[in-house]
Amino acid sequence: DIQMTQSPSSLSASVGDRVTITCRASQSISSYLNWYQQKPGKAPNLLIYAASSLQSGVPSRFSGSGFGTDFTLTISSLQPEDLATYYCQQSHSTPHTFGQGTKLEIK
Amino acid sequence: EVQLVESGGGVVRPGGSLRLSCAASGFTFDDYDMSWVRQVPGKGLEWVSAINWNGGRTAYADSVKGRFTISRDNAKNSLYLQMNSLRAEDTALYHCARVYSSYGNLDYWGQGTRVTVSS
Repeated sequence: DIQMTQSPSSLSASVGDRVTITCRASQSISSYLNWYQQKPGKAPNLLIYAASSLQSGVPSRFSGSGFGTDFTLTISSLQPEDLATYYCQQSHSTPHTFGQGTKLEIK
Repeated sequence: EVQLVESGGGVVRPGGSLRLSCAASGFTFDDYDMSWVRQVPGKGLEWVSAINWNGGRTAYADSVKGRFTISRDNAKNSLYLQMNSLRAEDTALYHCARVYSSYGNLDYWGQGTRVTVSS
């Protein structure tokens, strides 16, 4: 199975900050990488698919990049409503494993 | 409006069985692959299983392989997860989700149904 490792596990940032979360796959997954946001008590919400494609309706401050084994989710200017846990997921081969999550707190 | 509504969760003893259902509406169900994802309260997401549009291809996490069976009834716009030989570690909130594209991204999720395995 492909292992997905996110870093950091948690981070605290201020409104307006640029925030970066990284995700590393244990083997190459091409561009088969998705990012989700999960707010407390809610189901996950798709942000980015195919490593860098922004899902419809998602604010443009969210962006993704990477290929192969190393990927990045960037929030260009952090907003209070971005308080959430963020997960990466590989969909290159089953099982479509998730990273352990990154909990983002607002200072 | 796309809606996914899970049901069938509950409390069951170790070794017992449950059948989860997911009722889909607001889209052409048999145009999409579907998936189950679970989450232990306070923990991360775990991909459980997926099925292609016509039920001809399925996949499972190693942790449930041989115990869980995913299926669908396109005439009823419904997805199912038959869970047998349940263990304490299967305790979680189970979400069904729609697979949006060949990239396997999950674009719509249900709110989940809770499964508790306890003696």
